[in-house]
Amino acid sequence: DIQMTQSPSTLSASVGDRVTITCRANQSISSWLAWYQQKPGKAPNLLIYTASTLQSGVPSRFSGSGSGTEFTLTISSLQPDDFATYYCQQYDPYSPITFGPGTKVDIK
Amino acid sequence: QVHLVQSEAEVEKPGASVRVSCKASGFTFTTYGFSWVRQAPGQGLEWMGWISAYNGNLNLVQKFQGRLTLTTDTSTSTAYMELRSLRSDDTAVYYCARDMGAINGAASLDFWGQGTLVTVSS
Repeated sequence: DIQMTQSPSTLSASVGDRVTITCRANQSISSWLAWYQQKPGKAPNLLIYTASTLQSGVPSRFSGSGSGTEFTLTISSLQPDDFATYYCQQYDPYSPITFGPGTKVDIK
Repeated sequence: QVHLVQSEAEVEKPGASVRVSCKASGFTFTTYGFSWVRQAPGQGLEWMGWISAYNGNLNLVQKFQGRLTLTTDTSTSTAYMELRSLRSDDTAVYYCARDMGAINGAASLDFWGQGTLVTVSS
């Protein structure tokens, strides 16, 4: 199975900060990568798919980039509603889906 | 408006089985797949498997094979997950999610149910 890692595991930031989360796969997954936001007690919410396509309804301050084995999620200006845990997920067609361990974004 | 409404929380004894339902509305059921994802308390997300509502194709994680059954009922637009031989480490919130992968395999998950807590305890 494809292993996903994320860094950092926790990120402390302030409203208005630019935030970047990195996700790495242990083998190439082309652009088969999604990003989710999860708040406590709630289901995850899809933000980005195919590495850089913004899901409908998601604010434009969220963006994704990368291909192959290294990917980033960027929040251009952190808002109060963005404090949450973020997960990457790979969906390579020849491998079971796997998620990264998550990055918790909390208030500095 | 897309909605996935899951069944209520369950408490089961070790060795028992649990069946979680996921009723879909607001879209054409048979043009999507459905993935099931679980999350143990305080832990991350674990994908369990996928089923196509279009043709019934399945893809199950190997660790669950033999214990996990995924089905769909197109007449009621409902997806089901059954997990057998429950153990204490199966205690988790179980989510169904609409999968953009409709025919050939799982993909990204664009809408999620509210989750169903399954507690396994003697």
